[in-house]
Amino acid sequence: KAGVTQTPRYLIKTRGQQVTLSCSPISGHRSVSWYQQTPGQGLQFLFEYFSETQRNKGNFPGRFSGRQFSNSRSEMNVSTLELGDSALYLCASSLEPQGLNEKLFFGSGTQLSVL
Amino acid sequence: AQSVTQLDSQVPVFEEAPVELRCNYSSSVSVYLFWYVQYPNQGLQLLLKYLSGSTLVKSINGFEAEFNKSQTSFHLRKPSVHISDTAEYFCAVSDSGSARQLTFGSGTQLTVLP
Repeated sequence: KAGVTQTPRYLIKTRGQQVTLSCSPISGHRSVSWYQQTPGQGLQFLFEYFSETQRNKGNFPGRFSGRQFSNSRSEMNVSTLELGDSALYLCASSLEPQGLNEKLFFGSGTQLSVL
Repeated sequence: AQSVTQLDSQVPVFEEAPVELRCNYSSSVSVYLFWYVQYPNQGLQLLLKYLSGSTLVKSINGFEAEFNKSQTSFHLRKPSVHISDTAEYFCAVSDSGSARQLTFGSGTQLTVLP
């Protein structure tokens, strides 16, 4: 069974551009969440999706958005990129929301560099 | 808002020595605590978690963590480490009843030396 797949693995953009990152969950998983990992801030929750609906959103500006498709694949978009958006973006999937007993499976991430 | 502090960014230790990775969180009415591990070139994996009940929780590979409410801590310990324990360890807290909406610490890189 394939794990969580994130593409691309690495991405270089310049300030002001926009970027789209993709996450394919484990087959059968319908819940996807996104996180930003930076050396200074650590890991921060961005948002989560289930059945194509955003369930929760972290404390990030509106430039960060996402969506989920009917096949559970998810994309996140960052518009008007800033230098501080350089980070590793992680995606995690699970079968469905199960509260605290939910088991998350993380992908290896997309490393975004903004120049 | 919750915050998690991992004071040690790097912890080098010799093989078979004991180790403690420290984690403190900001106080809240109810918190649920997690330790995640990220091995080189792999995704994050849940190591152990405290939801309720016994304050001492254990993982299958010999790590344990103790929830201390009075000290708002959830330190991770192992009595004897192996080379294969080399990884980055993240402490995380949830106060929302969700295993997804986590506040993570900045991580501790554990390096086990031969």
